[in-house]
Amino acid sequence: QKEVEQNSGPLSVPEGAIASLNCTYSDRGSQSFFWYRQYSGKSPELIMFIYSNGDKEDGRFTAQLNKASQYVSLLIRDSQPSDSATYLCAVNPSGTYKYIFGTGTRLKVLA
Amino acid sequence: GAVVSQHPSWVICKSGTSVKIECRSLDFQATTMFWYRQFPKQSLMLMATSNEGSKATYEQGVEKDKFLINHASLTLSTLTVTSAHPEDSSFYICSASGQQGYEQYFGPGTRLTVT
Repeated sequence: QKEVEQNSGPLSVPEGAIASLNCTYSDRGSQSFFWYRQYSGKSPELIMFIYSNGDKEDGRFTAQLNKASQYVSLLIRDSQPSDSATYLCAVNPSGTYKYIFGTGTRLKVLA
Repeated sequence: GAVVSQHPSWVICKSGTSVKIECRSLDFQATTMFWYRQFPKQSLMLMATSNEGSKATYEQGVEKDKFLINHASLTLSTLTVTSAHPEDSSFYICSASGQQGYEQYFGPGTRLTVT
């Protein structure tokens, strides 16, 4: 069964620090990888997507993909209390438009 | 860009009645729409995938006669929960894909409470 795994947390980091969120996936043929942020009681919001090996930066966010090791990570620089949320990793397995979601990592940024 | 709306944002209905939830892509054509359900403190559960003009594909364990999905146009999909029961109370979220690539953009969700 195709799986996406994340540490449920909570991951606590002080304000201004770098938060590092990790995700591993089982389907080696997966092509597309996504990070969503979900605040409590709200729907997910797309933060980053990455299709190629390496790093992709957007503002304070950097997504890193390593297909050989089957992991994708999200770095949040200069973490703010407003970044406190659950971060969902989603993987698009080969041959499908569907996502497989991880269970999410809860991030707490301490002021 | 890539805005998805849902209506209503919350609804309370009596057991045995049906509820329709609308999902619209406001600024792009959604070739594929997805319907998810999320219970408190749990992850998203995909219910079905729909493509414009064709029948929805339901995930295993999801009753297609209970959760009717219609994707009538490239900007509108509807989910009807028929004969709702208290155990159907949940947070229903749609997403749309088609802006570019495989990204899914989520609507704000509909909180359904069945009494």
